[in-house]
Amino acid sequence: DVKVTQSSRYLVKRTGEKVFLECVQDMDHENMFWYRQDPGLGLRLIYFSYDVKMKEKGDIPEGYSVSREKKERFSLILESASTNQTSMYLCASSPDAGPFGETQYFGPGTRLLVL
Amino acid sequence: AQKITQTQPGMFVQEKEAVTLDCTYDTSDPSYGLFWYKQPSSGEMIFLIYQGSYDQQNATEGRYSLNFQKARKSANLVISASQLGDSAMYFCAMRETPGNTGNQFYFGTGTSLTVIP
Repeated sequence: DVKVTQSSRYLVKRTGEKVFLECVQDMDHENMFWYRQDPGLGLRLIYFSYDVKMKEKGDIPEGYSVSREKKERFSLILESASTNQTSMYLCASSPDAGPFGETQYFGPGTRLLVL
Repeated sequence: AQKITQTQPGMFVQEKEAVTLDCTYDTSDPSYGLFWYKQPSSGEMIFLIYQGSYDQQNATEGRYSLNFQKARKSANLVISASQLGDSAMYFCAMRETPGNTGNQFYFGTGTSLTVIP
């Protein structure tokens, strides 16, 4: 059973704080993703990584950075949190090889509130 | 242009009735995959069903079926015999040809389904 875990379910931070969201997957997947989810906007891709130390910008990378030092761990960093980064953050992973119909596997999500 | 369009922000259905959630997509790739996910209020994303662009038959998984109309670029989800536990957000997603960006998924804005007892 694929498992994707995220470090926190709920997080409250102050404006200007540096925030780390951690994601760990246990299935040796090459690809990992960070999305943010907002009502009426669906899931928007922030960053993804297809290998250790490799990263690609998604649709909304501004204000975020990522780190992938180990294959199983993908971190999302808010360098200086702002109130417009209050959102639900979802991490996902997927294998490189395998059937085209292989789904992404999602973590439980982190609800971040920036005050 | 939006890759995935879900035009129904909210839907209501009577318990035990069938409901169709709409999804249209935009791609020029001949090879792609279409997915539906369910997201209950708890927040986790649950994979429901997959349809490949070359699949001849509509995908089915239990009470879920995907009405795939390739020429119209639509991939509607049909839920038969709705249950109260089906109340959730539903997302349509697409994956294009594998490659550098082939592992990216494009998501729609979602449809909130409420099942009425």
